[in-house]
Amino acid sequence: DTGVSQDPRHKITKRGQNVTFRCDPISEHNRLYWYRQTLGQGPEFLTYFQNEAQLEKSRLLSDRFSAERPKGSFSTLEIQRTEQGDSAMYLCASIPLLSDTQYFGPGTRLTVL
Amino acid sequence: QKEVEQNSGPLSVPEGAIASLNCTYSDRGSQSFFWYRQYSGKSPELIMSIYSNGDKEDGRFTAQLNKASQYVSLLIRDSQPSDSATYLCAVNEPRALTFGSGTRLQVQP
Repeated sequence: DTGVSQDPRHKITKRGQNVTFRCDPISEHNRLYWYRQTLGQGPEFLTYFQNEAQLEKSRLLSDRFSAERPKGSFSTLEIQRTEQGDSAMYLCASIPLLSDTQYFGPGTRLTVL
Repeated sequence: QKEVEQNSGPLSVPEGAIASLNCTYSDRGSQSFFWYRQYSGKSPELIMSIYSNGDKEDGRFTAQLNKASQYVSLLIRDSQPSDSATYLCAVNEPRALTFGSGTRLQVQP
């Protein structure tokens, strides 16, 4: 257990529904990342926050995806109008100041029916 | 596009043997390199980081980096069945990690 928590751990939804995931990083970590991982692939970068500022977004992050970190603590990732191709493990990672080592949470597994 | 390449395996070794996992990367300017272990259905777990050319040892694990050849490797000595997992190589590019697709290691008892 790295100290990064994610909720829910599993989510099953129907195509077209909206879903929201939450990540609670280690408290003193100022940087937070979201990744997506599909079966047989490594995690792919989605977006990155430093404190409350969203500094970078991947081209993978379509308009249906939005992420926030309102007070520089926990973060949420919302997917609107889910598609079957959104089925994946969504991973959150946090990094302490003056480090580049990322510590991953347990992930949220999304299944879109 | 920056790439990290790994052989998908499976790499099968007998218990007690040395497992050698390899990774190449495309961005010559990369400075930070990581090995993560991932059990099926779980999230990646950091094993080691390496930043300088040469070897870095931590218990049964040794990471090797050759920036001129753009090559990173991980050696696991005295492999145990509990080491059976997928090993992910990751490169910092620079503000996000780029991962390879992983090598699946099977340690046969």
